[in-house]
Amino acid sequence: AQSVTQLDSHVSVSEGTPVLLRCNYSSSYSPSLFWYVQHPNKGLQLLLKYTSAATLVKGINGFEAEFKKSETSFHLTKPSAHMSDAAEYFCVVSAIGGSQGNLIFGKGTKLSVKP
Amino acid sequence: GAVVSQHPSRVICKSGTSVKIECRSLDFQATTMFWYRQFPKQSLMLMATSNEGSKATYEQGVEKDKFLINHASLTLSTLTVTSAHPEDSSFYICSARDLRAAFFGQGTRLTVV
Repeated sequence: AQSVTQLDSHVSVSEGTPVLLRCNYSSSYSPSLFWYVQHPNKGLQLLLKYTSAATLVKGINGFEAEFKKSETSFHLTKPSAHMSDAAEYFCVVSAIGGSQGNLIFGKGTKLSVKP
Repeated sequence: GAVVSQHPSRVICKSGTSVKIECRSLDFQATTMFWYRQFPKQSLMLMATSNEGSKATYEQGVEKDKFLINHASLTLSTLTVTSAHPEDSSFYICSARDLRAAFFGQGTRLTVV
């Protein structure tokens, strides 16, 4: 069975400092992994996805994530936080191998950015 | 990128009435759409899988007679919350897929008073 664990429910950083949002997964298949961002009262926006190509995935707004099979991790990073990055971030695994099928969401990490 | 439009974004209704939420894939055809519910300060929970031209598949614990799903075309799925109660107040989000990834609607904030 597939599962996703986001290790931090809340992360607070200062503007201009690096961001690290941690995610570990469990999957019986070769997983497809995603990061989505949700701004307050908005829908979800895809940041980036991993589907068995390059292990370092670059997404929008300067975010990137590295798939590490040995650590079963898919942590999201950004070198320098902006105020506009304050939102909730969800790590997601596809329940069936490939981009089709259902999605399983982590519990989310709320990112706060201090001036 | 692919766009999924969800309407309305906010709705307030009286207890006992029904509310319909629409989810449209604007530039691709979606044989399958998904409906999620997000409780305050929690993650999204899958409610049901909507299949074009056939019955929806509901997750365990979701009342299919209360949350009616219709997927009449390849670009439209609707979720109707019937006889709404205050405990149905929540944020509902639909999702549709193309071959690349899942795309989400803007969500609907339902408040039942």
